[in-house]
Amino acid sequence: DAKTTQPNSMESNEEEPVHLPCNHSTISGTDYIHWYRQLPSQGPEYVIHGLTSNVNNRMASLAIAEDRKSSTLILHRATLRDAAVYYCMFHKGYQKVTFGIGTKLQVIP
Amino acid sequence: DTGVSQNPRHKITKRGQNVTFRCDPISEHNRLYWYRQTLGQGPEFLTYFQNEAQLEKSRLLSDRFSAERPKGSFSTLEIQRTEQGDSAMYLCASSSTRGRGGTEAFFGQGTRLTVV
Repeated sequence: DAKTTQPNSMESNEEEPVHLPCNHSTISGTDYIHWYRQLPSQGPEYVIHGLTSNVNNRMASLAIAEDRKSSTLILHRATLRDAAVYYCMFHKGYQKVTFGIGTKLQVIP
Repeated sequence: DTGVSQNPRHKITKRGQNVTFRCDPISEHNRLYWYRQTLGQGPEFLTYFQNEAQLEKSRLLSDRFSAERPKGSFSTLEIQRTEQGDSAMYLCASSSTRGRGGTEAFFGQGTRLTVV
């Protein structure tokens, strides 16, 4: 299975930006990088995905390193509702979604 | 509400009993996944279907587990002779392979199984 490395936990103050890192050194050229998050007592929720270029959507931004061996999920202004476990993964479009341990984000009021 | 519906939301059963969970995916999605999640861990892949075909099964899926997706619509996951180690959240997700490069998977709220 595709292997990623993320910090176990991070903290952020409310309304400040948060940068969640992910290493995926074994990624291949056709693998897409995906981020999901899981709020307490809920199923995972898609956040964003990308291939090579940085991506923005209403939830977050995804910054992908030039060599694609790492990426950073950016929450521009953390809110208490962003407290969740954030999962990074990579796979080809036709492959299954595989989760690691993820990063537990705590947002401090 | 993601559009993926799972029933029941909670199930308590005695060890040795059989249980069946149902998942109704987003109607136009051709791919359906089952995952299991225990406390403090990320979801673990169990199996997935593309239309009605079961394309992959995890080694976690013992002989006591069976999943079906008749007619490529809803899916059921059955656990026979439940054991206490089966206690977990069972998550269903659906996606479409028609998009290029990896489309998002939509997850249901899960079914929490407790085996006593």
